[in-house]
Amino acid sequence: DTGVSQNPRHKITKRGQNVTFRCDPISEHNRLYWYRQTLGQGPEFLTYFQNEAQLEKSRLLSDRFSAERPKGSFSTLEIQRTEQGDSAMYLCASSLPPRLAGSTDTQYFGPGTRLTVL
Amino acid sequence: DAKTTQPNSMESNEEEPVHLPCNHSTISGTDYIHWYRQLPSQGPEYVIHGLTSNVNNRMASLAIAEDRKSSTLILHRATLRDAAVYYCIRKIHTGGFKTIFGAGTRLFVKA
Repeated sequence: DTGVSQNPRHKITKRGQNVTFRCDPISEHNRLYWYRQTLGQGPEFLTYFQNEAQLEKSRLLSDRFSAERPKGSFSTLEIQRTEQGDSAMYLCASSLPPRLAGSTDTQYFGPGTRLTVL
Repeated sequence: DAKTTQPNSMESNEEEPVHLPCNHSTISGTDYIHWYRQLPSQGPEYVIHGLTSNVNNRMASLAIAEDRKSSTLILHRATLRDAAVYYCIRKIHTGGFKTIFGAGTRLFVKA
């Protein structure tokens, strides 16, 4: 399978614990995005990487959230001191570099990690 | 506001065409219109995109109004597997491409 993969698919944690999610993008894609989706809503943009550089962060990404993409391949999203309001689906997407994507940016999404904070 | 406006839900009969509307009245000249769909328990899936001209691909057609303030996603023959939430997205070119999803249209397909 050459699509975007995310691990774990499900995570249940207690309030106050730290959690880390992993995203493996499609291999030739140098852009990587994180989104959060709550029930009945569309995905909300969290942050965006081009290679290893984090180029944009949403105001939704509080100090408890941190994302990394150390070698420009896989990425991790860590949430510290989880709160019940963090319960959501966390989606990762990737897309081709501009020289191959042209002037648009079609994103390919993974299946998501569903986080439940008790 | 960069979000688009779509009906909350629509219903279609199997094997019939479906026209899913979207309003994006504040769109600027360099913004693309993308459509994604999300099946239950899956991440969103790319459907089609366009800038000014109508577009066709194996999944759907996209009709963009001449003033670009609205567009319509056309599924030529709905199947039960097309039941999903369809998102119309305005792709804002800000160096990267900021992608802002609305709540989408939930399409119900009746057998």
